[in-house]
Amino acid sequence: EAQVTQNPRYLITVTGKKLTVTCSQNMNHEYMSWYRQDPGLGLRQIYYSMNVEVTDKGDVPEGYKVSRKEKRNFPLILESPSPNQTSLYFCASSLLPLVAGGFDTQYFGPGTRLTVL
Amino acid sequence: RKEVEQDPGPFNVPEGATVAFNCTYSNSASQSFFWYRQDCRKEPKLLMSVYSSGNEDGRFTAQLNRASQYISLLIRDSKLSDSATYLCVVNSDSNYQLIWGAGTKLIIKP
Repeated sequence: EAQVTQNPRYLITVTGKKLTVTCSQNMNHEYMSWYRQDPGLGLRQIYYSMNVEVTDKGDVPEGYKVSRKEKRNFPLILESPSPNQTSLYFCASSLLPLVAGGFDTQYFGPGTRLTVL
Repeated sequence: RKEVEQDPGPFNVPEGATVAFNCTYSNSASQSFFWYRQDCRKEPKLLMSVYSSGNEDGRFTAQLNRASQYISLLIRDSKLSDSATYLCVVNSDSNYQLIWGAGTKLIIKP
C-alpha cells in the first residue's frame, strides 16, 4: 500500500529535550516536505527536499533541522524544543515538480501531535 | 495581505443544497492550483486540481479566474459526508513551495 508514515503520532515532551520525528514514504517520491498546522494559520512549510542531500528552508524553519540521507526518509529534528513549537506536524511527499508551477498530488502522513511543556 | 486567503466559515448548509466558496491568491504568476479536503485532526487529501478551463468531478466543480486571482469550489447535492475543511493551495512563483490557505469549514446538516 502506497503511504507516508510518521512516528510518533503523539508526543509530549519538555523544553530543551531534543527529539526527532521520523517520516518515511514508499512511493519513490523525490519531493518531501514538513509542515506545521496551527489553528487559524493553515499549513506552513518548515523545510522541503527536492532529492537526497538537497534540502531548503520553507517559511518557518527556525528551531528545526532536517536531513535527507535516503530517498524514502525525511526526519524532522528539534534540537531544543520550546513551547511555541507545540503544533500538529505533517510530512508530505510527491513526485518532483519539474518546474516551480508543476506540482503533483501531495501525499500526507497521518500527522504528529507535539506538545512541548 | 496573505498570499492565499479563504473565508474560514463555518458554512452551515442543509443536506442536498449547493454550496460554493472562493479562495483568493496574491501571486499572479502562480501555475498550480488545488483543493484539498481535511477531516478533523486528519491529514489533508487531494480533492481536485484546478485547471485553467475549469474541471468537474462528480458533484464537485472547480474553476480558476486568473483576471481576479481566485479559484472556486462548487459542491452540488451536498452530503453529510462532505462536512470537512476545504484547503486551497497555490504554488509560490519564486521557489518550489506550495502556499496553503487556512481552510474553509463546511458543515452539512440533515
